[in-house]
Amino acid sequence: EIVMTQSPATLSVSPGERATLSCRARQSVTSNLAWYQQKPGQAPRLLIYGASTRATGIPARFSGSGSGTEFTLTISSLQSEDFAVYYCQQYNNWPLTFGGGTKVEIK
Amino acid sequence: QVQLVQSGAEVKKPGASVKVSCKASGYTFTYHYIHWVRQAPGQGLEWMGIINPSGGSTNYAQKFQGRVTMTRDTSTSTVYMELSSLRSEDTAVYYCARVITMRDNWFDTWGQGTLVTVSS
Repeated sequence: EIVMTQSPATLSVSPGERATLSCRARQSVTSNLAWYQQKPGQAPRLLIYGASTRATGIPARFSGSGSGTEFTLTISSLQSEDFAVYYCQQYNNWPLTFGGGTKVEIK
Repeated sequence: QVQLVQSGAEVKKPGASVKVSCKASGYTFTYHYIHWVRQAPGQGLEWMGIINPSGGSTNYAQKFQGRVTMTRDTSTSTVYMELSSLRSEDTAVYYCARVITMRDNWFDTWGQGTLVTVSS
């Protein structure tokens, strides 16, 4: 299976600052990568698919980039509602696999 | 609106089975595959398998082969996930999630989750 590694595990950021989250695949997943946001007690919410396409209703401050094995989720200016855990997921190969998550916390 | 509504929390003893339901609404049930994903307390997300609501075909993660069964009832637009031989490590929130197409397996809609607690 394709192992997905996210870094850092925790990111401390002040509101209004930029956050950059990384996701690395052990082998190429081309552009078949999605990002999700999860808040405590809630189901994950789709942010990005196809590595860089924002899902319906997702604000423009969220952007995704990368292909192959290296991917980035950028939140350009953190809002209070953005403090959460973020997961990447590859869907290029079976079984589908997720990264371990990055927690974005208030600095 | 598109919605997946899951059954309520369950408490089971080790060795027992649990069956979780996921009722779809707001779209044509047979047009979109449904996956199951679980999340142990404080942990990440783990993919369990997929079911095609149209024909009922399934594909399970190797880890769960022999212990998981996914079925569907087209008359009620409901999919089910049954996990048998439960052990404490199966304590988790179980989610159903919809994908747009069989090829694009990113999850655009999630159920609210069902907590399954396995404890003696």
